[in-house]
Amino acid sequence: GNSVTQMEGPVTLSEEAFLTINCTYTATGYPSLFWYVQYPGEGLQLLLKATKADDKGSNKGFEATYRKETTSFHLEKGSVQVSDSAVYFCALIGRGGADGLTFGKGTHLIIQP
Amino acid sequence: KAGVTQTPRYLIKTRGQQVTLSCSPISGHRSVSWYQQTPGQGLQFLFEYFSETQRNKGNFPGRFSGRQFSNSRSEMNVSTLELGDSALYLCASSLVGSDETQYFGPGTRLLVL
Repeated sequence: GNSVTQMEGPVTLSEEAFLTINCTYTATGYPSLFWYVQYPGEGLQLLLKATKADDKGSNKGFEATYRKETTSFHLEKGSVQVSDSAVYFCALIGRGGADGLTFGKGTHLIIQP
Repeated sequence: KAGVTQTPRYLIKTRGQQVTLSCSPISGHRSVSWYQQTPGQGLQFLFEYFSETQRNKGNFPGRFSGRQFSNSRSEMNVSTLELGDSALYLCASSLVGSDETQYFGPGTRLLVL
């Protein structure tokens, strides 16, 4: 079956530091890949996505590239802010969507001023 | 467009009772998926509905059920509640035939006493 592995943290960084959160996956076929973010007490917000190999998703300064050869989708940001503190989830879904999203366990990111 | 809405936002029940949660998808979205989020198990797929038909179900007991109406609104029901059912229940909607991106509601937080 499908699976997603990501570093769980917590990851603590200083403001303006460079961020990388690693995500690797196992899946049959050619899934779509996503990063979602969850703030305390809220649901999941879509951060970015990529639907095929070598696609780069980007949003709000965050980027991730769909690497089929390494089955990875690492999240990066050049300069983090305190407001980026949240839990980040890597996820995938197969074609057709009927099997639902498979999530990693989430990475708790803490940005200190 | 209005986002995914879920009602109620918070719920307290006692063991043995049953509960019904409601989800209204983004206008035009015909696929609705449900997820359970707990600190121990993370985010787990419950089931997915499209055109009033359940297309797939995750690894949950039969106490968990759902349905979808002709206007794409969906409900999920949990019967004979157990303490372990305490969780955040998230609903997501998507356009079938696109890139399967799912958009989440704010969730219903269920506490079973």
